[in-house]
Amino acid sequence: SQTIHQWPATLVQPVGSPLSLECTVEGTSNPNLYWYRQAAGRGLQLLFYSVGIGQISSEVPQNLSASRPQDRQFILSSKKLLLSDSGFYLCAWSALAGDHNEQFFGPGTRLTVL
Amino acid sequence: KNQVEQSPQSLIILEGKNCTLQCNYTVSPFSNLRWYKQDTGRGPVSLTIMTFSENTKSNGRYTATLDADTKQSSLHITASQLSDSASYICVVSSTGGGNKLTFGTGTQLKVEL
Repeated sequence: SQTIHQWPATLVQPVGSPLSLECTVEGTSNPNLYWYRQAAGRGLQLLFYSVGIGQISSEVPQNLSASRPQDRQFILSSKKLLLSDSGFYLCAWSALAGDHNEQFFGPGTRLTVL
Repeated sequence: KNQVEQSPQSLIILEGKNCTLQCNYTVSPFSNLRWYKQDTGRGPVSLTIMTFSENTKSNGRYTATLDADTKQSSLHITASQLSDSASYICVVSSTGGGNKLTFGTGTQLKVEL
């Protein structure tokens, strides 16, 4: 069966510090991978998605970046965090030719920027 | 612009009671609609999925309906339990590259004794 992991689970970082959040998927190959942010009282906002190694599409302009160094690894990064980067970050995967393109979410990372 | 609106924003019910959550969408072209349950501090988990031709789908005590003509969906929870306390998110998928989804802001349900 497929599983998706995210770490860390929680993170508190000062403004201006770098960020690296990691997401890995097990039990599937060539998944589509996604990074979402969920702010308090807001819907999930798609930040990045990837259809393959090294292929990243950005949905919103921001000071975050994403990379996919391996087929089942998706990394969210920032060189300098802003207060507005605080939120709940979710990684998700879907099969390239899956059942109605269903996305499966990881457990999330709670990021607090102080 | 694709949008998904959910109501009510929050809801408190007593254990054992039924409730219905609403979702209105303006997403085109429509592919499918899902209801997710998100426990606090966790990732969303899919409850039901409906395509254009389906107007009802059940998953245990959860029953979702879809009216593709009026672009409305509802999620009915029967005989609520304390563990049903969570955020319920309506998500509409549009055909196109990258499997992009439009998320509602969710209904926060609290089930009390």
